[in-house]
Amino acid sequence: NAGVMQNPRHLVRRRGQEARLRCSPMKGHSHVYWYRQLPEEGLKFMVYLQKENIIDESGMPKERFSAEFPKEGPSILRIQQVVRGDSAAYFCASSLDYRGNTEAFFGQGTRLTVV
Amino acid sequence: GENVEQHPSTLSVQEGDSAVIKCTYSDSASNYFPWYKQELGKGPQLIIDIRSNVGEKKDQRIAVTLNKTAKHFSLHITETQPEDSAVYFCAASRDSGGYQKVTFGTGTKLQVIP
Repeated sequence: NAGVMQNPRHLVRRRGQEARLRCSPMKGHSHVYWYRQLPEEGLKFMVYLQKENIIDESGMPKERFSAEFPKEGPSILRIQQVVRGDSAAYFCASSLDYRGNTEAFFGQGTRLTVV
Repeated sequence: GENVEQHPSTLSVQEGDSAVIKCTYSDSASNYFPWYKQELGKGPQLIIDIRSNVGEKKDQRIAVTLNKTAKHFSLHITETQPEDSAVYFCAASRDSGGYQKVTFGTGTKLQVIP
């Protein structure tokens, strides 16, 4: 059973371009979380999704950022018109079910660098 | 919302000594407290967790304690080894309208000196 797969591992974008980060949850997991980690800082919650639904996007900037988790395929975190401040590691986690505080498994992250 | 504070931010210990990392949380409704280890260039990995109906849990060299009244919990690593060197994150989680919302601490960079 493969773990949470994120790609690409490293992504370089020029200011103003779009960044697309992909996350394939563990097999059977229908809950996906996205976190952002700035250098030397902790993980900040961005968005929580279930299949085809955004449940909580309270941690996501109102502009330029969007996320989806379609019925088929990976979850996508999309950042439009990137700026230098978007440079960070973006981690995805998945869980089987929220009930009983089921463990969330993290991917290796995508390190976005905006130049 | 929940606020999790973690101390210290960096910690250096000699191999074989113990390491203790402390966290406090603000939301009394939080009921699940996982601890994650993050090695350089990798994603966080769960190492131990504790639920609010338990005061202490141990797994080999790692133990976690929880004081619900004081709203603080701690990670204890005994007989530290160089491979324990990593960044450790505490987290507090609660049921939030049908899902578990997890708030992380700011991390502790542990260095075990051989």
